[in-house]
Amino acid sequence: IAGITQAPTSQILAAGRRMTLRCTQDMRHNAMYWYRQDLGLGLRLIHYSNTAGTTGKGEVPDGYSVSRANTDDFPLTLASAVPSQTSVYFCASSVRDSTDTQYFGPGTRLTVL
Amino acid sequence: GQNIDQPTEMTATEGAIVQINCTYQTSGFNGLFWYQQHAGEAPTFLSYNVLDGLEEKGRFSSFLSRSKGYSYLLLKELQMKDSASYLCAVMDSNYQLIWGAGTKLIIKP
Repeated sequence: IAGITQAPTSQILAAGRRMTLRCTQDMRHNAMYWYRQDLGLGLRLIHYSNTAGTTGKGEVPDGYSVSRANTDDFPLTLASAVPSQTSVYFCASSVRDSTDTQYFGPGTRLTVL
Repeated sequence: GQNIDQPTEMTATEGAIVQINCTYQTSGFNGLFWYQQHAGEAPTFLSYNVLDGLEEKGRFSSFLSRSKGYSYLLLKELQMKDSASYLCAVMDSNYQLIWGAGTKLIIKP
């Protein structure tokens, strides 16, 4: 593994189903983030984690949950998917230093029908 | 509220120069980032400005004026591979990134 990986690459999901998007980084970055990207809108932060064992809510957290059991993994769970959660989901990580540059995974394209 | 504004789309010619503007209103300021995003791919980091002035990196330069809440990304000697969306993002007082919707840059031969 080099950088950040996400799985699955894409998924079609029936409304009401539970889904977990996986994110793993091997850069030993302290902070991790989940964003959604919709056409015409900027990236919107769903949840974040500044360090293993802690999580926080972003701009659009409703309907999503996260956990950060260790440094490398940051899964995002949709408990009961709805069509408005159709989007491209990006995971990112950063060192949390003075510049705090975020590095992104390749994304998961999720369609909820 | 917090707001990042940038043009939706711009068109330029191969070999030319283009300037993509970004204005922002945020609660606090801890730096401004530019990212490049090719269609269907992840955003990749281009530049970071925290002090006023120009930062140059090869064909790309980024400028910041904190007093005006303004930045631009300057791309020189445009190549077809520069066709992409360019995202402006500001780190606010809570050290969260606030993102603009992005500028789609179309390069014509």
